[in-house]
Amino acid sequence: QVQLVQSGSELKKPGASVKVSCKASGYTFTSYAMNWVRQAPGQGLEWMGWINTNTGNPTYAQGFTGRFVFSLDTSVSTAYLQISSLKAEDTAVYYCARNPAGTPEYFQHWGQGTLVTVSS
Amino acid sequence: SYVLTQPPSVSVAPGQTARITCGGNNIGSKSVHWYQQKPGQAPVLVVYDDSDRPSGIPERFSGSNSGNTATLTISRVEAGDEADYYCQVWDSSSDQNYVFGTGTKVTVL
Repeated sequence: QVQLVQSGSELKKPGASVKVSCKASGYTFTSYAMNWVRQAPGQGLEWMGWINTNTGNPTYAQGFTGRFVFSLDTSVSTAYLQISSLKAEDTAVYYCARNPAGTPEYFQHWGQGTLVTVSS
Repeated sequence: SYVLTQPPSVSVAPGQTARITCGGNNIGSKSVHWYQQKPGQAPVLVVYDDSDRPSGIPERFSGSNSGNTATLTISRVEAGDEADYYCQVWDSSSDQNYVFGTGTKVTVL
């Protein structure tokens, strides 16, 4: 069965960087794009963008350019989200999410989420 | 970009029917998908393509979509249905490919 397992919670100081991992199993990693979704405390879901797991080409949604970087290590079926120059407003739960077979229109599989807390 | 509006909260007694709306400009021309999110958990897909259910989702969950409003209906509500619910559409023509609704907290009285 498809599983997306994310790395654990992180506590970082403003200005630092963080790298969140999402390890996939149960399917061919390079056959499906990987998406990232943010959820700030008490807020809704916000799509951050996706990465083509075949080519490594990332696409960032508006508001997630510059400090946010998607990357891959296909040898271990893992996608990464790196955020640099962290700010307090980056405090959120970050999810990786995958589409089902045959359509890009919604997310059928989600990681468990990684809480990133930015505080001095 | 495309905006999806949901009521912040819906309250319903056990055994009754909860209806959660999702408003968007001509949303009836798009496919709408719904997620359930319980506290501290990742979202779970409960309805896709307006009215289809993934395997394992009870028949009590149903959806419809027409005009400017999509609706998620939960029949015979149970205490375990208490959660946040989000609608979502896909807009391939926009740089914001995936748009989520504002979310609705369903409280079971």
